Amino acid sequence: EAQVTQNPRYLITVTGKKLTVTCSQNMNHEYMSWYRQDPGLGLRQIYYSMNVEVTDKGDVPEGYKVSRKEKRNFPLILESPSPNQTSLYFCASSLYSGGLAGVNTGELFFGEGSRLTVL
Amino acid sequence: GQNIDQPTEMTATEGAIVQINCTYQTSGFNGLFWYQQHAGEAPTFLSYNVLDGLEEKGRFSSFLSRSKGYSYLLLKELQMKDSASYLCAVRDWVLTGGGNKLTFGTGTQLKVEL
Repeated sequence: EAQVTQNPRYLITVTGKKLTVTCSQNMNHEYMSWYRQDPGLGLRQIYYSMNVEVTDKGDVPEGYKVSRKEKRNFPLILESPSPNQTSLYFCASSLYSGGLAGVNTGELFFGEGSRLTVL
Repeated sequence: GQNIDQPTEMTATEGAIVQINCTYQTSGFNGLFWYQQHAGEAPTFLSYNVLDGLEEKGRFSSFLSRSKGYSYLLLKELQMKDSASYLCAVRDWVLTGGGNKLTFGTGTQLKVEL
């Protein structure tokens, strides 16, 4: 079954304790991205990756790191979590269109979400 | 950058038709998406428009006017299960660094009542 898998789904942690949220997709997608979703603010992009070893900042990258060593995995790292990083996080992937109005829609496939609470 | 506006909330009656509008400002338009998100769940893809006009997919249709920076999602024969948040997302062609950037609106919470 084609899917994007995130872990953990729920996590309560304390300020400063490093954590990693894993994301894996089995669709051979080039493009992967992390979003956080907060009430009234919608989905905001944290980081994205267009292919292996190619990552770039989204709109709200502060306090986060990512890596893309393999095509299927795109972990999100919080080196020193703070309470303002309490949020619902979504990983997503798509078949990268590669250009203007590409041959595919480039729709995003989302993981089920990871609800993180930082105390 | 992008600026995407959509209404925060809408209410409609089961069996009716509802139109959810989305306006946007962008410099390198490369497609507009609509996603549906039920409470506590991940967004799921509904529709995609890159050329002007109407795209129909069963009970759902989406319209785009690039010159007006305007799209709408039309839901017909509303069902209770259509109660969800509907997210408009615009893809920009990023000239520096290449690739595409997708930005989401804050979503429209639709409530379907009996």
